[in-house]
Amino acid sequence: NAGVMQNPRHLVRRRGQEARLRCSPMKGHSHVYWYRQLPEEGLKFMVYLQKENIIDESGMPKERFSAEFPKEGPSILRIQQVVRGDSAAYFCASSPGTGGQPYEQYFGPGTRLTVT
Amino acid sequence: GENVEQHPSTLSVQEGDSAVIKCTYSDSASNYFPWYKQELGKRPQLIIDIRSNVGEKKDQRIAVTLNKTAKHFSLHITETQPEDSAVYFCAAVSSGSARQLTFGSGTQLTVLP
Repeated sequence: NAGVMQNPRHLVRRRGQEARLRCSPMKGHSHVYWYRQLPEEGLKFMVYLQKENIIDESGMPKERFSAEFPKEGPSILRIQQVVRGDSAAYFCASSPGTGGQPYEQYFGPGTRLTVT
Repeated sequence: GENVEQHPSTLSVQEGDSAVIKCTYSDSASNYFPWYKQELGKRPQLIIDIRSNVGEKKDQRIAVTLNKTAKHFSLHITETQPEDSAVYFCAAVSSGSARQLTFGSGTQLTVLP
């Protein structure tokens, strides 16, 4: 039973380039969350998605950041025109959303983005 | 929105001693409180959670208590071992929210052999 998968694990981008981060939820999970963790800090919520729907993006920066969770394929977090301040670990989590444990969130291994 | 405060930020204990980490939350509608353990460079791992209709939950050496009136919850680790060394995060989910986790700032636990 594969857990939450993220790729790439490490991503290096120059300032101004685009970063694309992918997340495949656990089997049977239909809810995906993205969190950002700056060095030596806690995790901050960015966006919550279900298939083909953005439920809550209140934690997303207004510009340059977007997320999607298409009907087929992984969820994608896209950062356009990256700046050095975007350097962080980006974690995806998934939850079943319904059933006995709807709130439990399981995290992927993260993508460590470095902007040079 | 929800605000979660966690303390202490660092905690050192001798192997075999107990460790306690405390968190407070602001939103009285919060009803789910998980704890995550994160080792350096690794993913956060869910180690225990508690719901607002329960005051205490235990799983082997780990226990969590919840005081809804005071809006605080605590993680207790007994008989600590060096492999317990990690950063521990508390979190809260509000029933009125879209279920996103609001995290505390983390506690670096070091268990000294």
